[in-house]
Amino acid sequence: DAGVTQSPTHLIKTRGQQVTLRCSPKSGHDTVSWYQQALGQGPQFIFQYYEEEERQRGNFPDRFSGHQFPNYSSELNVNALLLGDSALYLCASSGETVEAFFGQGTRLTVV
Amino acid sequence: QKEVEQNSGPLSVPEGAIASLNCTYSDRGSQSFFWYRQYSGKSPELIMSIYSNGDKEDGRFTAQLNKASQYVSLLIRDSQPSDSATYLCAVTVFGNEKLTFGTGTRLTIIP
Repeated sequence: DAGVTQSPTHLIKTRGQQVTLRCSPKSGHDTVSWYQQALGQGPQFIFQYYEEEERQRGNFPDRFSGHQFPNYSSELNVNALLLGDSALYLCASSGETVEAFFGQGTRLTVV
Repeated sequence: QKEVEQNSGPLSVPEGAIASLNCTYSDRGSQSFFWYRQYSGKSPELIMSIYSNGDKEDGRFTAQLNKASQYVSLLIRDSQPSDSATYLCAVTVFGNEKLTFGTGTRLTIIP
């Protein structure tokens, strides 16, 4: 049973560029959440998708947007990248219970 | 006041001893509590969940919850060097699946 998978694992972008990160949830899970984790900090909630709709959003600017597809996979898009967007981006999936399982993450470096 | 607070450590424990990790939270509406283990450079791994007052044991791990004191803890018995990691406490509030994390406690098991 495949767990949560994310791609790519590492990414280097230039300030002002746009980036798309991808996530496939654990089998049987229909809810996908995205988190940003800066070095030495706990993950911060970006938003959550369920039934292809953004169900909840954290305190992140509109430069951060997302999408969920009919197969429950999800994308996180970040526009106009800033140096401060450099972080580990984590996707978590959950199903009937509130237990959330994380993918391996995407390490984004903005230069 | 931070929503979820943890001592950042580092916490050093001899091999074979009991490691005790603590977490306090501010929202009395919090209903679900989780401990994640995160190795350096990796993503968080769910190790314990607890929903009601008292103790919950799983192998060498015991989670303890006291809602009156707004306190949740994790005990690791017979600590092993492989337990060296950052432990993240996370909570959800009733009706909300968003995880709010503490900054994590770095645990080092000394052989």
